Amino acid sequence: KAGVTQTPRYLIKTRGQQVTLSCSPISGHRSVSWYQQTPGQGLQFLFEYFSETQRNKGNFPGRFSGRQFSNSRSEMNVSTLELGDSALYLCASSLGTVTNYGYTFGSGTRLTVV
Amino acid sequence: DQQVKQNSPSLSVQEGRISILNCDYTNSMFDYFLWYKKYPAEGPTFLISISSIKDKNEDGRFTVFLNKSAKHLSLHIVPSQPGDSAVYFCAAPLTTSGTYKYIFGTGTRLKVLA
Repeated sequence: KAGVTQTPRYLIKTRGQQVTLSCSPISGHRSVSWYQQTPGQGLQFLFEYFSETQRNKGNFPGRFSGRQFSNSRSEMNVSTLELGDSALYLCASSLGTVTNYGYTFGSGTRLTVV
Repeated sequence: DQQVKQNSPSLSVQEGRISILNCDYTNSMFDYFLWYKKYPAEGPTFLISISSIKDKNEDGRFTVFLNKSAKHLSLHIVPSQPGDSAVYFCAAPLTTSGTYKYIFGTGTRLKVLA
């Protein structure tokens, strides 16, 4: 059973640019959640997609957006990058039901904004 | 508002001894807690969980204790091994309208000395 695949693993972008990150969940998982990890802040929830619909959203500015495709693959986009967006972005795949709490995380995409 | 807190950013323990990692929470609505372990350049991996109807859950060398009245949980690792050196996060699912997101602590970096 393949795990959660995130691409690319590393990215370097310049302030003001935009970036798109990709996540392929475990087969059969319909929920994809995105988290941002920064030193000292732990993991902060960005948003969750379930069956192509955004079902939950964290407290991030509108520059952060996402989408999910019919095959459950998800992308997140960050526009007008700022230095503070440098972080590890983690994708979590799950069944998406409250009777079964359980995430499987990908290895993340390390974004550096210069 | 940091609803889940890990007040010790780091901990060093001798191999073979007990490691105790602590986590406090403020939201009394949390009814489930999880511990994740994270190595550098990898995503978090699930370690152990506990429901609020229990006060202890054990899995091999790992035991989680929950004290609901104190809103405190702890992870015990006995005996500690060098391969346990990693960052440990406690997390609690926050449910909203049929879905959930994890609220994570900021993590404790455990170093097990050989």
